[in-house]
Amino acid sequence: QVQLVESGGGLVKPGGSLGLSCAASGFAFSDYDMSWIRQAPGKGLEWISHITSSGSTIYYADSVKGRFTISRDNAKNSLYLQMGSLRAEDTAVYYCARADSGGYAGFWYFDLWGRGTLVTVSS
Amino acid sequence: EIVLTQSPGTLSLSPGERATLSCRASQSVYNSYLAWYLQKPGQAPSLLIYGASIRATGIPHRFSGSGSGTEFTLTISRLEPEDFAVYYCQQYGSSPGTFGQGTKLEIK
Repeated sequence: QVQLVESGGGLVKPGGSLGLSCAASGFAFSDYDMSWIRQAPGKGLEWISHITSSGSTIYYADSVKGRFTISRDNAKNSLYLQMGSLRAEDTAVYYCARADSGGYAGFWYFDLWGRGTLVTVSS
Repeated sequence: EIVLTQSPGTLSLSPGERATLSCRASQSVYNSYLAWYLQKPGQAPSLLIYGASIRATGIPHRFSGSGSGTEFTLTISRLEPEDFAVYYCQQYGSSPGTFGQGTKLEIK
């Protein structure tokens, strides 16, 4: 079954750290670029980070640059997001998503999403 | 970055009716690199359309996308009960890719 399953969410205090994982199955994970996208409660979607299939190139949204680190382990079919210096505004459901550029696009669209994991930053 | 504005914010229709959702960009979307997603309550978004008009794998023919430049439309020809949800557009022609704020399609 083709799927992505996130884990690692929870309650963390402002300034704290948390690590998320995303387990991929049913497809050749190492062939695909991957992204993390988040959705604050009752809000829209925000792309936050991307990693190419080999892990050689990484991108971050300005809102998380310097605080979050994306990585992957193709041998384990897994994607990771290490989050630090967390703020209340980082509270959101975090989705991992499989990315496709559709050719020569400057960015990616997302053709497979996980169910998400909730991160709550509160004292 | 490109700002996407979706309208209406909420659309109230009955099953069997036709739905037309709009996505307007603050500047031209390169090569019509625009996608549409459906998000049902408590679920992750799922891809409906990419390249403005290409249906994703397994998406029924009642869903169609059109448009170019700054104006894009998602049309659902005859609404089924499972279509009532929130719809998002996303441009991926320039970085960073951005999402619209969503249109909620509700049962009238």
